[in-house]
Amino acid sequence: GAVVSQHPSRVICKSGTSVKIECRSLDFQATTMFWYRQFPKQSLMLMATSNEGSKATYEQGVEKDKFLINHASLTLSTLTVTSAHPEDSSFYICSAKRTPSQPQHFGDGTRLSIL
Amino acid sequence: AQSVTQPDIHITVSEGASLELRCNYSYGATPYLFWYVQSPGQGLQLLLKYFSGDTLVQGIKGFEAEFKRSQSSFNLRKPSVHWSDAAEYFCAVAAISSGSARQLTFGSGTQLTVLP
Repeated sequence: GAVVSQHPSRVICKSGTSVKIECRSLDFQATTMFWYRQFPKQSLMLMATSNEGSKATYEQGVEKDKFLINHASLTLSTLTVTSAHPEDSSFYICSAKRTPSQPQHFGDGTRLSIL
Repeated sequence: AQSVTQPDIHITVSEGASLELRCNYSYGATPYLFWYVQSPGQGLQLLLKYFSGDTLVQGIKGFEAEFKRSQSSFNLRKPSVHWSDAAEYFCAVAAISSGSARQLTFGSGTQLTVLP
């Protein structure tokens, strides 16, 4: 089955640090990748949609300069949280699709803790 | 805009009992509907999906869901719950966005506790 790998699974860092999260589709080429954020005890909120070779489409209220998304290849998308602060602490999950008509396959998520 | 409502925040059932998790959606066109399960601290696993055709959909781990257009519902069921089913369950609807990529809108989730 389709496998999506997300790395790292957990990161703890100091306020002001920039953190990069990778999302890889291991056995398929993903035309589209999505980034979600999940607050404790809450549902997943879509942050942005990433298409290979083009700029990401951000949801309303998501700061583009804060959450940098790069989708440089059909198997890799990265989310960089720049100058992270404690309020950025959250669980970030990526997903990938082979084609628009197929279901999303999710990574295992990254627990980000900013001290 | 599409939306998904999961009325039950938390459900507790005994092992071996039947289970039904409710999901109601609001969407202007024919919906693409999904159920995902999330174990603590992990990503999401697709249980089943409905695109078209038979309104009773079979999924993995013994789960099934029934699409009822008249009630705008897509409830998840399992005849006999196992302790390993304890997790959080999310219902989702796919929307058409620019570029034809289908984004997911999630419900707020239902936390399932299974008693021994």
